[in-house]
Amino acid sequence: SYELTQPLSVSVALGQTARITCEGNNIGSKNVHWYQQKPGQAPVLVIYRDTNRPSGIPERFSGSNSGNTATLTITRAQAGDEADYYCQVWDSSTGVFGGGTKLTVL
Amino acid sequence: EVQLVQSGAEVKKPGESLKISCKGSGYSFTNYWIGWVRQMPGKGLEWMGIIYPGDSDTRYSPSFQGQVTISADKSISTAYLQWSSLKASDTAIYYCARRQQPYNWFDPWGQGTLVTVSS
Repeated sequence: SYELTQPLSVSVALGQTARITCEGNNIGSKNVHWYQQKPGQAPVLVIYRDTNRPSGIPERFSGSNSGNTATLTITRAQAGDEADYYCQVWDSSTGVFGGGTKLTVL
Repeated sequence: EVQLVQSGAEVKKPGESLKISCKGSGYSFTNYWIGWVRQMPGKGLEWMGIIYPGDSDTRYSPSFQGQVTISADKSISTAYLQWSSLKASDTAIYYCARRQQPYNWFDPWGQGTLVTVSS
């Protein structure tokens, strides 16, 4: 089965840029989606199809995908961006989530 | 507004059965797949399975095949997740979410249903 690997945690200073990676075999050939989950809340879609932002998601959130790594980038990080972030792909008619990354804003 | 509203928290004993629900509104319920996702305490998201309410076509993750049953009643725009015999390890939050084809992201999500199984 297809596997997605994310770092357990990423820290970023307030106002700086955070990058969260999602690794998978030839993930660049797949469509990658990203979700933000704050404590006690349901996940929220922040990036779909590698690079697209749903309405209401700040331009500070962006995505890229190439080779074996997809990346979620958050510029000018704010305290409100502290959350768990999950990548997701579709493989063999099955949804696959990464293990999640806890983003801490210092 | 597209919305998924799930049923409330449940506390059950091992061996009991349970059926939780997810009601869609604001869109044509029969035209979108609904997926179910498990989140065990302090853990990540796990994809369980998916149903197309239009014809009840259902797919399961191998990890959950035979452990749960996914169903839908299109007449009331509601999808279900059920267990015939709960275990303590079923304790988790369960989310439903609408699948957006053809690129297969999930949006929106329901608010989640906490299921606690304890003797």
